[in-house]
Amino acid sequence: GAGVSQSPSNKVTEKGKDVELRCDPISGHTALYWYRQSLGQGLEFLIYFQGNSAPDKSGLPSDRFSAERTGGSVSTLTIQRTQQEDSAVYLCASSLALGQGYPNDFGPGTRLLVL
Amino acid sequence: SQQGEEDPQALSIQEGENATMNCSYKTSINNLQWYRQNSGRGLVHLILIRSNEREKHSGRLRVTLDTSKKSSSLLITASRAADTASYFCATVSQTDSWGKLQFGAGTQVVVTP
Repeated sequence: GAGVSQSPSNKVTEKGKDVELRCDPISGHTALYWYRQSLGQGLEFLIYFQGNSAPDKSGLPSDRFSAERTGGSVSTLTIQRTQQEDSAVYLCASSLALGQGYPNDFGPGTRLLVL
Repeated sequence: SQQGEEDPQALSIQEGENATMNCSYKTSINNLQWYRQNSGRGLVHLILIRSNEREKHSGRLRVTLDTSKKSSSLLITASRAADTASYFCATVSQTDSWGKLQFGAGTQVVVTP
């Protein structure tokens, strides 16, 4: 079946502009995660959604970052007033909530470059 | 901040050899997981080991966990060129929600034919 998809695959923007990154999880997966990966680094947790519960957004680096998940499916990560240090690959993952408490299926990522 | 630290940062071996990499972490955990990332691709989940387990096998992979030392190891036996990738450990702290995985910086493995 279809895996996690993300769009756009690449995004180049100018410092100060807002960007929106989209994630389509696997159908039926109630948990959705956002991570980012800077060049040569491991993944940094940003936020995760679990069903209708309040999201754990303790990893968002600043109030310029926000995410929402509408209808329990598609999620959008928004970065306002982008800075050069926001440049990274933003990865989304999803998982079945019941009996699987970890992100198993990752999307290919959105590579963000802030000039 | 990163919870896990992998060692070595890079590893180069020949096909058929075994590859061993280690992960150390800082806080008490519920479980530890290993992921693989091929160049330019998303992550693939390899194996999960729970805090009450000491060793786990999956195909050519063997994972150990020593909670007293806060460390884990991943062994890939009889490596193949297709095993060339970066390998990451990830942990869930007992004080965090289960969805909040903390990743290390990874071990880059190159397997030459």
